[in-house]
Amino acid sequence: NAGVTQTPKFRVLKTGQSMTLLCAQDMNHEYMYWYRQDPGMGLRLIHYSVGEGTTAKGEVPDGYNVSRLKKQNFLLGLESAAPSQTSVYFCASSRTGVGYNEQFFGPGTRLTVL
Amino acid sequence: DQQVKQNSPSLSVQEGRISILNCDYTNSMFDYFLWYKKYPAEGPTFLISISSIKDKNEDGRFTVFLNKSAKHLSLHIVPSQPGDSAVYFCAASHDYKLSFGAGTTVTVRA
Repeated sequence: NAGVTQTPKFRVLKTGQSMTLLCAQDMNHEYMYWYRQDPGMGLRLIHYSVGEGTTAKGEVPDGYNVSRLKKQNFLLGLESAAPSQTSVYFCASSRTGVGYNEQFFGPGTRLTVL
Repeated sequence: DQQVKQNSPSLSVQEGRISILNCDYTNSMFDYFLWYKKYPAEGPTFLISISSIKDKNEDGRFTVFLNKSAKHLSLHIVPSQPGDSAVYFCAASHDYKLSFGAGTTVTVRA
C-alpha cells in the first residue's frame, strides 16, 4: 500500500497562475483533508471532505477550491495564485471522523508563488 | 486564534535522558489529543494519543499525560534516542477536525 500520495512534490508559480494539487489514498478512507504548514504556525486546515462528493471549509479556505469526485482522490485548486499561498501543503486521510481520529499524511507539496 | 499552543520551539536533550514536550489548549470541547512526529521532507506520522476521559497513556518509550483542569498535556520520551530527533506536533480533535500546535523541534545529542 502506498498510503497517501501527493502530486507534485514541488512547484513554482507566478502570481496569477492556477494549478491543481492531487492527493490520492489507497486505504479506502472516508475522510480527507488539505492543510498548509507555514513557519511558526503548525498545520492549518484549508478544506476537508467527509465522503465522496462532499467538501467543506476549514480554518483558512480563502483562495482555494477542492473537489472529491472519487473516494480515493482529493484535489486542491488555486485559481489565481498569490505570494501569500507560498507554503507546504499536506493532504491527509482518516477512516472515520468519530472519536479517535488518526489521520495519515502524505509527504507534502512545496509551493512557491513568485 | 490558536487553540493549541506549544510554547517551546525547540528542545535539546542528551541521548538516554528524558525528553518532555508540553502543549496547552484553550477549547474545552476537544475530546482527543494526539502527538505527531515529523522528519524533514516527510509528512507527519502519528505517535500516540489520549482520550479526554483519561489522564495517562503509555506506549513503549512514549507516555502522554493530560491535565484537563489545566488544559495541558505533555509527552515524555524515555529514554531519548538519536532517531527521536524530529519536529513534534501536538494536535487536538473536535468534530473530526484536528487543530495543531506550531511544533517543537527535538534534538537528541550523542
